[in-house]
Amino acid sequence: DAGITQSPRHKVTETGTPVTLRCHQTENHRYMYWYRQDPGHGLRLIHYSYGVKDTDKGEVSDGYSVSRSKTEDFLLTLESATSSQTSVYFCAIRRGTGGPNEQFFGPGTRLTVL
Amino acid sequence: AQKVTQAQTEISVVEKEDVTLDCVYETRDTTYYLFWYKQPPSGELVFLIRRNSFDEQNEISGRYSWNFQKSTSSFNFTITASQVVDSAVYFCALSGGNEKLTFGTGTRLTIIP
Repeated sequence: DAGITQSPRHKVTETGTPVTLRCHQTENHRYMYWYRQDPGHGLRLIHYSYGVKDTDKGEVSDGYSVSRSKTEDFLLTLESATSSQTSVYFCAIRRGTGGPNEQFFGPGTRLTVL
Repeated sequence: AQKVTQAQTEISVVEKEDVTLDCVYETRDTTYYLFWYKQPPSGELVFLIRRNSFDEQNEISGRYSWNFQKSTSSFNFTITASQVVDSAVYFCALSGGNEKLTFGTGTRLTIIP
């Protein structure tokens, strides 16, 4: 158990509404990540953070923003949700700071945009 | 650019059979890291193994074994004497030393009792 929680676990929303997903960790890890999982694509990196207020883009960052004001929380925001953002979103942490150690994932959030 | 190919979309085997999941990768990095993750029907992602590019020794963990071959850019995963609990989607992933983990599209493994 990597001490990662995600909220909400399920959400249904309408096109054009803002949505914020929260990732919370209890182990004070520096690196945190947001991925989306879609059939036929595996997991794709949206954004990641390497410290408080330090974030960078991943492979599929368009339409998403992130914020990290505290070590334990990493927020993913869809400013204006679209149906193409219907997906399962996973948060992950990386233990350690030396090299690309394995990442550990939260339980996921299933988001449906109607 | 990095790429991970898991050509087997779905595999079904009868319980107790051995099964190998293929993973082929592409990278220009000389140092890189390979991973396998398991996603059971409950949906969580479970880390299984990490290998460094400079360590080509095969690894065995119980019924699981991994064969890393740089010459063919492959990192295959074998389950011996499969069990129903092995039914899951398995993902191979690659990192070139930065923070960006590239996943394959996954192989859905079904073990038939």
